[in-house]
Amino acid sequence: DTAVSQTPKYLVTQMGNDKSIKCEQNLGHDTMYWYKQDSKKFLKIMFSYNNKELIINETVPNRFSPKSPDKAHLNLHINSLELGDSAVYFCASSPQTGGHQPQHFGDGTRLSIL
Amino acid sequence: QKEVEQNSGPLSVPEGAIASLNCTYSDRGSQSFFWYRQYSGKSPELIMFIYSNGDKEDGRFTAQLNKASQYVSLLIRDSQPSDSATYLCAVRPSSASKIIFGSGTRLSIRP
Repeated sequence: DTAVSQTPKYLVTQMGNDKSIKCEQNLGHDTMYWYKQDSKKFLKIMFSYNNKELIINETVPNRFSPKSPDKAHLNLHINSLELGDSAVYFCASSPQTGGHQPQHFGDGTRLSIL
Repeated sequence: QKEVEQNSGPLSVPEGAIASLNCTYSDRGSQSFFWYRQYSGKSPELIMFIYSNGDKEDGRFTAQLNKASQYVSLLIRDSQPSDSATYLCAVRPSSASKIIFGSGTRLSIRP
């Protein structure tokens, strides 16, 4: 009964490759997010979608491309992976955008670039 | 000035004592405030949220918000070793569409 699930849990790949991370939530939430947590544990938002519409696009290299086929899914595709992309990527969801809505996180995808 | 600031710690507290975690924020119009707990290698887990000035209690946890001074704190009473984790303060600023996280305070409860 996982509320926010991400796959894969671990991703080890070579520099220059292209990879995707998938996220699904079964909470019926309208809004989904991608966060990056670096080695210093700083959690920084990358993208947010509300009901399949992009609403937040932070200063992220355009090698990162999110896709939301429906409001329950938000995938992240990364082209030409670089060493600095090594981090934990968290997907999250909230009932709506704004207000007093907390976010619920998936278990994270640990990306390691060799 | 960072948008959300926390002391990185580690904060070491004896078992059974009160742990006090503090957070300051820069956007005076911020609306909502959250505390997340993150165990090593795990995802952030919501502990409490608060949006009105004053105190909000939930079990051993109390969140305190002072909008005039732009700080929010989390008190953990009767600290247990299982409370050892990194605590992330998160703030929804007046722009409202995103939550900004602090860098977290590492809390260690010593037996």
